[in-house]
Amino acid sequence: AQSVAQPEDQVNVAEGNPLTVKCTYSVSGNPYLFWYVQYPNRGLQFLLKYITGDNLVKGSYGFEAEFNKSQTSFHLKKPSALVSDSALYFCVAWRNRDDKIIFGKGTRLHILP
Amino acid sequence: GAGVSQSPRYKVAKRGQDVALRCDPISGHVSLFWYQQALGQGPEFLTYFQNEAQLDKSGLPSDRFFAERPEGSVSTLKIQRTQQEDSAVYLCASSTRAGGSYEQYFGPGTRLTVT
Repeated sequence: AQSVAQPEDQVNVAEGNPLTVKCTYSVSGNPYLFWYVQYPNRGLQFLLKYITGDNLVKGSYGFEAEFNKSQTSFHLKKPSALVSDSALYFCVAWRNRDDKIIFGKGTRLHILP
Repeated sequence: GAGVSQSPRYKVAKRGQDVALRCDPISGHVSLFWYQQALGQGPEFLTYFQNEAQLDKSGLPSDRFFAERPEGSVSTLKIQRTQQEDSAVYLCASSTRAGGSYEQYFGPGTRLTVT
């Protein structure tokens, strides 16, 4: 079955430290990969997207993601976490052959002051 | 400018009732998506419109679910004879271009509770 896995339900990071939110995918073809963030009482917001090319993608709010084809991973990273980064993060794959969108179950990120 | 809006934000329905959930996408957006998000899970695709055409309804869980976008803007998701397993947050998203490969703009969702 086609799927996107976010192995950690929750990640805790101290403010100022680097953060990583993990994502692996099992989707056929060469899927496009996205990260979205959901703040409390707000809709999901687009952070960044990988299509092809450079394996390091830069996005909004200082986030970046590293694509690794051999490991089928697309981890979200930020060099220095802010308390305001605390939110729910979703990794998403778009499958080209049938225009299907597959969400991971989400990872809650807590940045500790 | 205005984002995607959804109404109502919260809906409580007795089992067996029909409900209608509304989505107002960003003006001019071609694509409109509906998702169902169960507690603690990621959104799951329900259906997709390109303008007024419903191009994909493969995610609708049963024939009790029906969606329309008659004029290519506002969309309504209707659930007939609601069941407890329909309790979830229903998300609407729109996108400037056709297909699912572009950035989507999400509404705040409608939380449906079936008692």
